[in-house]
Amino acid sequence: GAGVSQSPSNKVTEKGKDVELRCDPISGHTALYWYRQSLGQGLEFLIYFQGNSAPDKSGLPSDRFSAERTGGSVSTLTIQRTQQEDSAVYLCASRKSGLAGVGEQFFGPGTRLTVL
Amino acid sequence: DAKTTQPPSMDCAEGRAANLPCNHSTISGNEYVYWYRQIHSQGPQYIIHGLKNNETNEMASLIITEDRKSSTLILPHATLRDTAVYYCIVGSPGSGNTGKLIFGQGTTLQVKP
Repeated sequence: GAGVSQSPSNKVTEKGKDVELRCDPISGHTALYWYRQSLGQGLEFLIYFQGNSAPDKSGLPSDRFSAERTGGSVSTLTIQRTQQEDSAVYLCASRKSGLAGVGEQFFGPGTRLTVL
Repeated sequence: DAKTTQPPSMDCAEGRAANLPCNHSTISGNEYVYWYRQIHSQGPQYIIHGLKNNETNEMASLIITEDRKSSTLILPHATLRDTAVYYCIVGSPGSGNTGKLIFGQGTTLQVKP
């Protein structure tokens, strides 16, 4: 079956512009995560959605970052007024519900964001 | 902060077993040990997880010490396609836990012909 998909695969933007990154999780997966991977920081958690519960936003680095998940499926990560330090690969993952917190996360291929 | 310590890099000859160690001396009783790997330019891929007992699947085996303070991921017959960064992660389930993964720096495994 289809895995997690993300779009665009690459995004180049100018400093100060807003960007939207999209994630399509695996159908039926209720848990959705955003991570980012940058050269200096490794892989870091950003935000988590589970069903209709309030998201865990504890990993978002600043208020320029926001995310939403509509209809319990597709999610968009928005970065406002991008800065050069936002350049990274943004990864989305989904997980089937079940034992809370346990279980395989399926990752998408990522969106490579470059802020000039 | 990651709760695990891994060697930054390891080499392995193709066809031989790759044994990747991980220290997690502060692991608590309900925390699982997860292993993921990331092949260059791809998203991370789940390998295996365990709590107390050793586990085996089609990809690898996970050996957890009796005190649970360390574990070893074993790739029984490494191939060139197993060259990747391997991440050992500890995390706890339970009501309210998100399952978010806290990645460390991982071990870069280079499989050589």
